[in-house]
Amino acid sequence: AQSVTQLGSHVSVSEGALVLLRCNYSSSVPPYLFWYVQYPNQGLQLLLKYTTGATLVKGINGFEAEFKKSETSFHLTKPSAHMSDAAEYFCAVSDSYKRQLTFGSGTQLTVLP
Amino acid sequence: DAGITQSPRYKITETGRQVTLMCHQTWSHSYMFWYRQDLGHGLRLIYYSAAADITDKGEVPDGYVVSRSKTENFPLTLESATRSQTSVYFCASVTGGNSPLHFGNGTRLTVT
Repeated sequence: AQSVTQLGSHVSVSEGALVLLRCNYSSSVPPYLFWYVQYPNQGLQLLLKYTTGATLVKGINGFEAEFKKSETSFHLTKPSAHMSDAAEYFCAVSDSYKRQLTFGSGTQLTVLP
Repeated sequence: DAGITQSPRYKITETGRQVTLMCHQTWSHSYMFWYRQDLGHGLRLIYYSAAADITDKGEVPDGYVVSRSKTENFPLTLESATRSQTSVYFCASVTGGNSPLHFGNGTRLTVT
């Protein structure tokens, strides 16, 4: 069975500050890991994904995440927050065989001017 | 335009009524999924389908029925709606391998 834990249901940062959204996972097989973003009244959009290879993954809009197997973590970061980054962010894990994703409960990011 | 379309976007129904949410994708993706999104729970898988005529239960299937007679369509039916099924429902599809899921814009369902 797989599970995802996102620490902090709400995170607030000032514009220009570092964004750090935490994600820990559990999986009995090598995981595929994803971060999705959801803007109000919209579906989820893929930010980035880790499958195999390089553990530091770069995504869209300046976001990146590092897969740390020893810590079972896949935290999302962005060096400098922008007002347009305000949204809900979901971490998800897949076992790659069934293609289905297991999602965390989400983190609402607020960017303060 | 290619993509994944859900209809309706908003639906209000009464307890006990049957309601069907539609999902259509134009990519011919093999896999399709239905998730529900509730505050504090993230997205939970209701049903998924690996191909036409192949469906399987997810984490929260009770009270829902799906079918997939054609690759591009994956309707979700609430046979007798309950207030606990008030939620936002998302359909998604993926071609396979390690490709990411593509999501529709969701259907907000309210059961009164």
